[in-house]
Amino acid sequence: EAEVAQSPRYKITEKSQAVAFWCDPISGHATLYWYRQILGQGPELLVQFQDESVVDDSQLPKDRFSAERLKGVDSTLKIQPAELGDSAMYLCASSPTGGLREQYFGPGTRLTVT
Amino acid sequence: GENVEQHPSTLSVQEGDSAVIKCTYSDSASNYFPWYKQELGKRPQLIIDIRSNVGEKKDQRIAVTLNKTAKHFSLHITETQPEDSAVYFCAANQLGGAQKLVFGQGTRLTINP
Repeated sequence: EAEVAQSPRYKITEKSQAVAFWCDPISGHATLYWYRQILGQGPELLVQFQDESVVDDSQLPKDRFSAERLKGVDSTLKIQPAELGDSAMYLCASSPTGGLREQYFGPGTRLTVT
Repeated sequence: GENVEQHPSTLSVQEGDSAVIKCTYSDSASNYFPWYKQELGKRPQLIIDIRSNVGEKKDQRIAVTLNKTAKHFSLHITETQPEDSAVYFCAANQLGGAQKLVFGQGTRLTINP
C-alpha cells in the first residue's frame, strides 16, 4: 500500500538555525498539505498545494516559514530562523484531486528547537 | 473561519463498554466531517467520515452521528477493545477558496482491560 514519506523523522536544532523537512506524497495525489501539530493538540494547516500552486497559506508564518512544490510532486518546508516555539510535529498529507477526499498522512517530523 | 471544539480531552472506559466523543463546529456551511485515529508514535488515519446529507453512518463497531441543526457530531465506539486505545481527532471542512480541514483538539481514549 502506497504511503506518504517524510524525512527526517526527528530533528534537533538550535534556535536561529535553518531547518528543512521533505515530503513525498502518494503518487498521483495532486493535493499536498503541511500541518503543524503541537503536543496535545490537533493538526493545524500551514500550507496547502494543488499541484505546484499554493492554494492556502493563511496560517503560515511567512516571515520565517517557506514551502515549495516545484514540480508538483514532492515538497519542502523550511524554517529560517527556527525559534523555541517551533518545536512540534510537522505532518505532511496528500489527497487525490477533487471533492472531499481522505487525507493520507505521513509519519511526521518531530522538531525540537533548543 | 471554522472552529471545532472536541470533548472530552481524555476518556477512560472498561474493555467491552462503549465510548462517545463529541465535537461541535461553528460554520453551518461545513458539509464534511471526518474522524482520524492516531496511535502512539504513528500517523493519523481516517477511520470514518460523514457528509451533511446523512445523519448517521456505521462501520462495524464505529458509528458517527451528525446533527446539522445543533452543529455537532459524535463518534461512537461499541464493544471497545484494547487496540482502540489512541488519540481521536474530529475535523470539519472550511469552505471558500481552497477547502481545508479544521481539526479538534483530540481525545485520548484509554481502554482498560
